[in-house]
Amino acid sequence: DTGVSQDPRHKITKRGQNVTFRCDPISEHNRLYWYRQTLGQGPEFLTYFQNEAQLEKSRLLSDRFSAERPKGSFSTLEIQRTEQGDSAMYLCASSLLPGQPNTEAFFGQGTRLTVV
Amino acid sequence: EDQVTQSPEALRLQEGESSSLNCSYTVSGLRGLFWYRQDPGKGPEFLFTLYSAGEEKEKERLKATLTKKESFLHITAPKPEDSATYLCAVQTNYGGATNKLIFGTGTLLAVQP
Repeated sequence: DTGVSQDPRHKITKRGQNVTFRCDPISEHNRLYWYRQTLGQGPEFLTYFQNEAQLEKSRLLSDRFSAERPKGSFSTLEIQRTEQGDSAMYLCASSLLPGQPNTEAFFGQGTRLTVV
Repeated sequence: EDQVTQSPEALRLQEGESSSLNCSYTVSGLRGLFWYRQDPGKGPEFLFTLYSAGEEKEKERLKATLTKKESFLHITAPKPEDSATYLCAVQTNYGGATNKLIFGTGTLLAVQP
């Protein structure tokens, strides 16, 4: 399978704990995006990387959230001191650079986070 | 403010009963409009990209069209396996080259046999 891979698929954590999610993008894709989706809503943009550089962060991304993409390959999203409001599906997507053909974003299956 | 509105929120069809889903958008400059399908508990699956008014794309029973203010996803003779949430998203051509997607809330389609 050469699609976007996310791990874990499901995570249940207690309020106040830290969690980390991993995303492996499609290998030739330079761009990697993180989105968050709550029930009944569309995905909302959190942040994106072009290779290893984090180029934009949404106002939704509080100081408790941090994302990395070392060496421009896989990415991690860490949430510190989780709150119940962090419960959501966290989606990763990857795409080619703008200006190239077929720059649509392809999504992974997501990580479902439940904070209890 | 950039906005994407999808209607209806939910749609129930009988197998074979054709219909259309609507996506209206308000953006200062449209780079592209995207349709995705999402099954419960899974990530969105890419369907179509439309770039300019008048453009149409087809895939099996689905056909997407674009005007300057809205897009339609036409479903012809749907089957139960077409049941899913259909998401519309736009990319804007300003604010840098983020290419981030702005999504609507989706239309939940149920096709009954």
